[in-house]
Amino acid sequence: LAKTTQPISMDSYEGQEVNITCSHNNIATNDYITWYQQFPSQGPRFIIQGYKTKVTNEVASLFIPADRKSSTLSLPRVSLSDTAVYYCLVGLSGSARQLTFGSGTQLTVLP
Amino acid sequence: EAGVTQFPSHSVIEKGQTVTLRCDPISGHDNLYWYRRVMGKEIKFLLHFVKESKQDESGMPNNRFLAERTGGTYSTLKVQPAELEDSGVYFCASSRASGTGEMNTEAFFGQGTRLTVV
Repeated sequence: LAKTTQPISMDSYEGQEVNITCSHNNIATNDYITWYQQFPSQGPRFIIQGYKTKVTNEVASLFIPADRKSSTLSLPRVSLSDTAVYYCLVGLSGSARQLTFGSGTQLTVLP
Repeated sequence: EAGVTQFPSHSVIEKGQTVTLRCDPISGHDNLYWYRRVMGKEIKFLLHFVKESKQDESGMPNNRFLAERTGGTYSTLKVQPAELEDSGVYFCASSRASGTGEMNTEAFFGQGTRLTVV
């Protein structure tokens, strides 16, 4: 399982765009990149997943460069309710395998 | 559609006692996972069921932990006897079945059970 590295914490202000970058130098050919969000006292919640280039959904965008050794989660116009821990995970496609969580990034959105 | 539900939400037990955690996955999800986070550590995988079969239990810490998934529906995780280091938050997650070549299927997590062993 590929190891991921991401900042321990980030601060932002309401209305700003937040970009959280994750490095995964040992990503394998079949690995996908998935981001989860976790609020206090809740379980992690899927945000977005991608394999290469760019993926966008109603919540976030995920940018993956050609070498796939890193990825950037972009949250547009954050609000106070986006304060949470964000996890970058890398894992195999195909059968649903176990998820390997790192330390995550604690995002704090300030008013 | 109901999400993944876990019971109880909190449990405080004495060292040496037995505790059973329950997880009800999303209906129709073949995959069921147990994870836990002990104080100050990362969320760690415990085991994975596919229907009623244990697919991977490499994360189970020791034989004091026993997981079952009767009939491929709900799952229980029993800790017997509980030790102080078992304190933490136990998460259950479920996902639908996937075929080869598909993207990782999204895992839906429950709220977790906070276990405190005193």
